[in-house]
Amino acid sequence: KQEVTQIPAALSVPEGENLVLNCSFTDSAIYNLQWFRQDPGKGLTSLLLIQSSQREQTSGRLNASLDKSSGRSTLYIAASQPGDSATYLCAVRYTGGFKTIFGAGTRLFVKA
Amino acid sequence: DAGVIQSPRHEVTEMGQEVTLRCKPISGHDYLFWYRQTMMRGLELLIYFNNNVPIDDSGMPEDRFSAKMPNASFSTLKIQPSEPRDSAVYFCASSPIRTGANVLTFGAGSRLTVL
Repeated sequence: KQEVTQIPAALSVPEGENLVLNCSFTDSAIYNLQWFRQDPGKGLTSLLLIQSSQREQTSGRLNASLDKSSGRSTLYIAASQPGDSATYLCAVRYTGGFKTIFGAGTRLFVKA
Repeated sequence: DAGVIQSPRHEVTEMGQEVTLRCKPISGHDYLFWYRQTMMRGLELLIYFNNNVPIDDSGMPEDRFSAKMPNASFSTLKIQPSEPRDSAVYFCASSPIRTGANVLTFGAGSRLTVL
């Protein structure tokens, strides 16, 4: 069964700290992996997408890595800010049909 | 492009009523997904289409749920009859499948409350 797991479920850090969010997935036959941000009561905003042939992607203070062999991805946030407070979701798109499965998310709170 | 358009944004209905949620994907996107989000279960994939054809509906919870995609620019998710446990936010998302262009884009969601 294809499953996506995110750890930790929640995280609280002081402003300025660097942090890492983790995503693990079963079945290495993935097409791509996408990280999203969701603010309370809002929709999902795409942050980064990593193709299966890539190792990492960067956008501003965000860096996402992908290790297909171990079934893991990490989202690194540098110099966190209160505005980064949100839920971060990992989505894995599988080959053979392109089904896309989400993890339960990591709820991040950055304290000023 | 205006993005993925969902309607209604909010729906409040009574148990037993029929509910129809609508989605207009981004033009040119081959894939359309319907998700349901609740606090307890997170984002669940209900069904997805490729070129208007349903590919996998294994996530549809019961026969009360049905989805159609009559053409490339429109899809519906119908619940008949609705129950209080169907209360959730329903998201529609679409994406192309092309090298270098396969980002999954979400609509704003339809918040359903069944009394």
